Amino acid sequence: SQTIHQWPATLVQPVGSPLSLECTVEGTSNPNLYWYRQAAGRGLQLLFYSVGIGQISSEVPQNLSASRPQDRQFILSSKKLLLSDSGFYLCAWSLQINEKLFFGSGTQLSVL
Amino acid sequence: GESVGLHLPTLSVQEGDNSIINCAYSNSASDYFIWYKQESGKGPQFIIDIRSNMDKRQGQRVTVLLNKTVKHLSLQIAATQPGDSAVYFCAEITSNTGKLIFGQGTTLQVKP
Repeated sequence: SQTIHQWPATLVQPVGSPLSLECTVEGTSNPNLYWYRQAAGRGLQLLFYSVGIGQISSEVPQNLSASRPQDRQFILSSKKLLLSDSGFYLCAWSLQINEKLFFGSGTQLSVL
Repeated sequence: GESVGLHLPTLSVQEGDNSIINCAYSNSASDYFIWYKQESGKGPQFIIDIRSNMDKRQGQRVTVLLNKTVKHLSLQIAATQPGDSAVYFCAEITSNTGKLIFGQGTTLQVKP
């Protein structure tokens, strides 16, 4: 069966520091991969998605970037964090576009 | 523009009663709908989905109803249990965009 791993679970970072969140999927090949952000008490906002290695689509202009160095690895990064980058970050995967997503356990990021 | 919204932000029910969570969508071209359950500090968990060629689908203790005429989606939970307490999100996918759009969520509180 397929599983998705996301880490760390919580992260506290100072403003201006770099960020690297990692997500890996097991049990499937060539998944579509996604990064979402969720503000407290709010819905989910799509940040990036990827349909293959090295293919990244950005949904909103922002201080973050994403990379997919391997088929089942998706990384969310920032060179310099802003206060507004705080939030709950979720990685997800799907077998195909237009199919349901399966989410990781999330990373609670606090930028202070 | 596209939007998926929920009628009520919070629903409180007695343990053992049935729960109905509602969702309205505005894009008549949406053809795939999904309900997710999110417990505090965790990622959304897939519950059930339905495509636009159906008006009802049943799972274990859950039923999703789709009324395309009024663009309304509902999730029914039978014999609600304390473990059902969570935030429930409806989401839609439109084939021509392939993007999952989430509503803001309804908090379900189950009273013992």
